[in-house]
Amino acid sequence: RKEVEQDPGPFNVPEGATVAFNCTYSNSASQSFFWYRQDCRKEPKLLMSVYSSGNEDGRFTAQLNRASQYISLLIRDSKLSDSATYLCVVNKFNRGKFQFGAGTQVVVTP
Amino acid sequence: SAVISQKPSRDICQRGTSLTIQCQVDSQVTMMFWYRQQPGQSLTLIATANQGSEATYESGFVIDKFPISRPNLTFSTLTVSNMSPEDSSIYLCSVVEQPEANTGELFFGEGSRLTVL
Repeated sequence: RKEVEQDPGPFNVPEGATVAFNCTYSNSASQSFFWYRQDCRKEPKLLMSVYSSGNEDGRFTAQLNRASQYISLLIRDSKLSDSATYLCVVNKFNRGKFQFGAGTQVVVTP
Repeated sequence: SAVISQKPSRDICQRGTSLTIQCQVDSQVTMMFWYRQQPGQSLTLIATANQGSEATYESGFVIDKFPISRPNLTFSTLTVSNMSPEDSSIYLCSVVEQPEANTGELFFGEGSRLTVL
């Protein structure tokens, strides 16, 4: 079983719609959680950290469920520019050692 | 945020040769990593580059194949040795600016796209 698992998609989303997807992690000792965005042929960039209480950044909402060991990302009012691969990242230990999911592809269509 | 420069940005190499990738950071960072991203795959950690000592390699990666140098807190190199087509990948240098914080962000260089013929 992979340490971090994601639905690869693609999620085809009409512009303006809402899309949500999850990521599961296997190590209950995981410390911190992130969503990264990766555009085609580009390096990953941090979209948002995921906090225990859940957090929101504009149209993006992230949730953490420690009991079920998953995190989620919800995108509201999708824009064409939201089309990308979203990587779930888990920090297993303090001070580094990040584990990456394989990514969920989102395609926003006009 | 840290600015990371990698070179070369891309290269096409013959099998059996070696290529060294350089990573330069604009500030001193404690933690520096090398990742590989094969086509259609996610990122796999190759090793942690340790300043002044041997790198710490992940399972499946060995020093003879991927020698790493880190002479100071702003610079590192990764060499891909005796290349085969299976080594065709994007190699990414990354750093953590605040390793003491649980929420330390991982920054990436733009990557070095390697194609081995």
